[in-house]
Amino acid sequence: AQKITQTQPGMFVQEKEAVTLDCTYDTSDQSYGLFWYKQPSSGEMIFLIYQGSYDEQNATEGRYSLNFQKARKSANLVISASQLGDSAMYFCAMRPNPGAAGNKLTFGGGTRVLVKP
Amino acid sequence: GAVVSQHPSRVICKSGTSVKIECRSLDFQATTMFWYRQFPKQSLMLMATSNEGSKATYEQGVEKDKFLINHASLTLSTLTVTSAHPEDSSFYICSARGTSGSGRQFFGPGTRLTVL
Repeated sequence: AQKITQTQPGMFVQEKEAVTLDCTYDTSDQSYGLFWYKQPSSGEMIFLIYQGSYDEQNATEGRYSLNFQKARKSANLVISASQLGDSAMYFCAMRPNPGAAGNKLTFGGGTRVLVKP
Repeated sequence: GAVVSQHPSRVICKSGTSVKIECRSLDFQATTMFWYRQFPKQSLMLMATSNEGSKATYEQGVEKDKFLINHASLTLSTLTVTSAHPEDSSFYICSARGTSGSGRQFFGPGTRLTVL
C-alpha cells in the first residue's frame, strides 16, 4: 500500500518569496509517479507538476519545481516568487506504475498556503 | 489540456431523495473514471474506480448500493447517491484518465451536495 505524508497543515508565505511544501511517501513499488495538485477555494483540482520515479532530473513547470530525493522518498514542491493567487490547498499524490490502467492516485493530507501581500 | 465537466456544480436536496451527478470527458476518451469524496478541510478520498462497460470497483467502506456508479460510455460516468441523508453532504469530484502518455488524470470541477 502507498502512503503520502504532508507534515505542514498550513503555512504563510510573503508575496514574491519562495516556499517549499514537504511531501514524503512510502511505497514498495519500483516504478511510480508523483504529482502535485493545487485546489483553490473553488474546489477544482489543478495539476501542477509530475515526476516519474525513473526521471533523473527534477521536474520544473514555470514557477513550480519538484525537489525529488528518491533515496529519502521525498518529493517537495517549491513555488518561486509567490503570488497572491497561489493561496490554496496543495496536495501531493502518488500512483504506482503510472502507465497501468486502473492504478489509483493516493493523496496526502494537503497543505494550506496563504500568501501575504 | 483535457477537460472534464461535472453537472450539477451544486445541489441541495431533501433527505431520502436520490441525486445523480454526471461526469463527462469533453475532448478525450476516458477509459477509466474515478469518483472522490472530500469533506471540508480534508483530503480527497477515493470512493470507486470505473472502467467503461464494466462494474465499478469500490474502495473498502464505500457502500455500493448507496453510491451507484455507471460508466456507460467512454465519455460519461454517473454517480447516484441513493436515499441521501445529511451525512452524505460532501464535495464529490470525478476524475478521468485516458490511455495516452503518463496516464495523467484530469479532474472535474466538483459537485457540492447538501442534504437537508
